[in-house]
Amino acid sequence: DQQVKQNSPSLSVQEGRISILNCDYTNSMFDYFLWYKKYPAEGPTFLISISSIKDKNEDGRFTVFLNKSAKHLSLHIVPSQPGDSAVYFCAFSPNTGNQFYFGTGTSLTVIP
Amino acid sequence: ETGVTQTPRHLVMGMTNKKSLKCEQHLGHNAMYWYKQSAKKPLELMFVYSLEERVENNSVPSRFSPECPNSSHLFLHLHTLQPEDSALYLCASSQEVRVKLGGYTFGSGTRLTVV
Repeated sequence: DQQVKQNSPSLSVQEGRISILNCDYTNSMFDYFLWYKKYPAEGPTFLISISSIKDKNEDGRFTVFLNKSAKHLSLHIVPSQPGDSAVYFCAFSPNTGNQFYFGTGTSLTVIP
Repeated sequence: ETGVTQTPRHLVMGMTNKKSLKCEQHLGHNAMYWYKQSAKKPLELMFVYSLEERVENNSVPSRFSPECPNSSHLFLHLHTLQPEDSALYLCASSQEVRVKLGGYTFGSGTRLTVV
């Protein structure tokens, strides 16, 4: 039973435009929400996170939005750059335990 | 060398072989993890170590045997694997085992193929 869903396996965006990546989850006990970015032949790299007490967190071009009532997490990248082309994973965790639940990833291609 | 280093990068092994994956972190972190990523599936947590003590084992078959001799090194010993064990095996570390918002530092992974 997959608790985290990234329904879009791929996304293409023009350079300079906004990229929006989405995750949905089913477990209402999740308290921590992270995004990772992965280039080919490299491990995932932590990008940005948010806790359940907030609905938005911003870091430069990257903004994460959390809609707890809809159980929906999104990542906005503005403006998108070719170097942002990578696979993006969302990861969720409850307050207890050591487990992070990952999505299957969305491959973002930013077209110059 | 900095970050999390995994060796080998690629490994092909027969079902009767015994091999080991190695992970080393130079970040001074106290927690280390093994994750498995199969094709088109999410990352699955396999093992968690905190200060060299195993704190979690997620129902992983006994043909996978972890070892953490010190807080900087983590091994995954493999024996009598099955073809369905072919996957990308990722090692990660974090400052503490309960870190939530800071994320993990991942290695580049070992691409394992069982033939």
